[in-house]
Amino acid sequence: EAGVAQSPRYKIIEKRQSVAFWCNPISGHATLYWYQQILGQGPKLLIQFQNNGVVDDSQLPKDRFSAERLKGVDSTLKIQPAKLEDSAVYLCASSPPGGTGELFFGEGSRLTVL
Amino acid sequence: AQKITQTQPGMFVQEKEAVTLDCTYDTSDQSYGLFWYKQPSSGEMIFLIYQGSYDEQNATEGRYSLNFQKARKSANLVISASQLGDSAMYFCAMRLGYSSASKIIFGSGTRLSIRP
Repeated sequence: EAGVAQSPRYKIIEKRQSVAFWCNPISGHATLYWYQQILGQGPKLLIQFQNNGVVDDSQLPKDRFSAERLKGVDSTLKIQPAKLEDSAVYLCASSPPGGTGELFFGEGSRLTVL
Repeated sequence: AQKITQTQPGMFVQEKEAVTLDCTYDTSDQSYGLFWYKQPSSGEMIFLIYQGSYDEQNATEGRYSLNFQKARKSANLVISASQLGDSAMYFCAMRLGYSSASKIIFGSGTRLSIRP
């Protein structure tokens, strides 16, 4: 079974530029999460999708971050314009229907904003 | 407020010793779930163990066990017979609510270092 796929793995941009991250969850996983993990900290939930609907985006900085999951499968997270404090690893995770809600994580996308 | 607290930023343990990583949580929900994840320096998040709020027995998975004390709202991870490969960040996480699609929040983590 293929795992959660994320790209790009690494991205370096200047502040005020834009960046987009892509995530393809495990097949059949209806719930998809985007987390931001700043170095030395725990993951912080940015947005959660159930199929193609948003369940929670209370901590998403909506003035600069946006995310979509148009067909209920893969998802993109966009930052525009980026700030220095957006430097972090962006983790995508998915979970199957039923069960415990265990998260299956991708390898993450590391963003450096200069 | 719903929150996970891990009070140990870092720990050093001698190889083959047992180690306990602390986790306390705060929620007003009656139904919730608790997870522990391991994050090695390579960055991937590895699921270790799960405990549901209605589970009466403490969860165990190989060398990992979860010491669940509901009244104290604690969910400590116990690693028996530690190995060098256990050196990593460890995160406690909580599912808020009954549904498997409920929000999951993480603590700040504990960095565990195993000494040979």
